[in-house]
Amino acid sequence: AQTVTQSQPEMSVQEAETVTLSCTYDTSENNYYLFWYKQPPSRQMILVIRQEAYKQQNATENRFSVNFQKAAKSFSLKISDSQLGDTAMYFCAFMKPGGAQKLVFGQGTRLTINP
Amino acid sequence: NAGVTQTPKFRILKIGQSMTLQCTQDMNHNYMYWYRQDPGMGLKLIYYSVGAGITDKGEVPNGYNVSRSTTEDFPLRLELAAPSQTSVYFCASSYSPQGQFGATEAFFGQGTRLTVV
Repeated sequence: AQTVTQSQPEMSVQEAETVTLSCTYDTSENNYYLFWYKQPPSRQMILVIRQEAYKQQNATENRFSVNFQKAAKSFSLKISDSQLGDTAMYFCAFMKPGGAQKLVFGQGTRLTINP
Repeated sequence: NAGVTQTPKFRILKIGQSMTLQCTQDMNHNYMYWYRQDPGMGLKLIYYSVGAGITDKGEVPNGYNVSRSTTEDFPLRLELAAPSQTSVYFCASSYSPQGQFGATEAFFGQGTRLTVV
């Protein structure tokens, strides 16, 4: 079974700073997908970014980028020029392709952006 | 476009009571899911469905039941509520990917906060 671990329960940075959230996972699969989801106080789950394991290039979406280290089973999220609206819980998630596309989530990191 | 709609948004139940959490999606997705989120924990899969008439257990199915009679609806039933079922419940949906190694985005409802007292 796959497991996902986020070792930082809480983080706090000043607005405009860069912050990196850590995620490690355990799997014996070779092909899989990794995701970062954002959950603001509204509770809505919002997909931030996704990475295909077979792609060596790290995914980027505007101010959000990942550092995917397949051998180390590490998948960190970097938020550049952080904004107050980035304040949220962030969840790392794993998916094995094919089948029912079930997501396995980490415990989450609560990120606070201070003005 | 409504996406995934869950009702109710909040509910307080007494121990031993029953209730159904409703979930409907208007995106014609064939895959649907129920997750629960406990404080300080990530989401855990309760049940899922890959199409009408097909359901299967996830990681934490005990105390719950589901049915999938239509593509749009995937209700979650709690038969005898227990304090351990106090949680936030999320319904999600996605469509099946093209190819054996594809993956598609899951869309989530806004959650139901359930308290069992």
